[in-house]
Amino acid sequence: DAKTTQPPSMDCAEGRAANLPCNHSTISGNEYVYWYRQIHSQGPQYIIHGLKNNETNEMASLIITEDRKSSTLILPHATLRDTAVYYCIVRVVIQGAQKLVFGQGTRLTINP
Amino acid sequence: GAVVSQHPSWVICKSGTSVKIECRSLDFQATTMFWYRQFPKQSLMLMATSNEGSKATYEQGVEKDKFLINHASLTLSTLTVTSAHPEDSSFYICSATSGGLRRVEQYFGPGTRLTVT
Repeated sequence: DAKTTQPPSMDCAEGRAANLPCNHSTISGNEYVYWYRQIHSQGPQYIIHGLKNNETNEMASLIITEDRKSSTLILPHATLRDTAVYYCIVRVVIQGAQKLVFGQGTRLTINP
Repeated sequence: GAVVSQHPSWVICKSGTSVKIECRSLDFQATTMFWYRQFPKQSLMLMATSNEGSKATYEQGVEKDKFLINHASLTLSTLTVTSAHPEDSSFYICSATSGGLRRVEQYFGPGTRLTVT
């Protein structure tokens, strides 16, 4: 079972920052938080990942709370092409093998 | 980022036949590959994990005799859907990672849409 919960849908105006929340209250100390997105009928696209510290790359920023029970993905200047389903995933390790177990994700719609 | 390809991108087959889907890592050696399936308007469901040169580990509820996985090299894994039925129609997606637990990147292929008639 997925270890994350996300709102099913969100809307954001083009050009504004999109802030996508994720709860992962049962995360363990060595489990990473990943974010992927999936545009219709395509494979998931990697966005960013983090363990404890906030992370930033060319696509987004990831803010992880100090207790690591939740995180927020920030798309600083959303465009229409950012419309997609965004998945927040905790990478679990079972018997030495890593797995990404997807939850239901957040369907983000960027409006013009 | 690393590139993972799948072939074919879509396939239509008749009930009772078998279909093979290939997953390749194009610019890195994938020690571990994963196979997912996705039904319309649903999330991805992990089917199995395969490590190069060893048998795949299947998730609970996934029939290993129906979904044959072979990971014979560090750049290729195949999923064969045997005796396909219409309910096997789905979007099949592979992903790959290199190295062990220290490598955190996992890259996904573009998916293969299977339609069984």
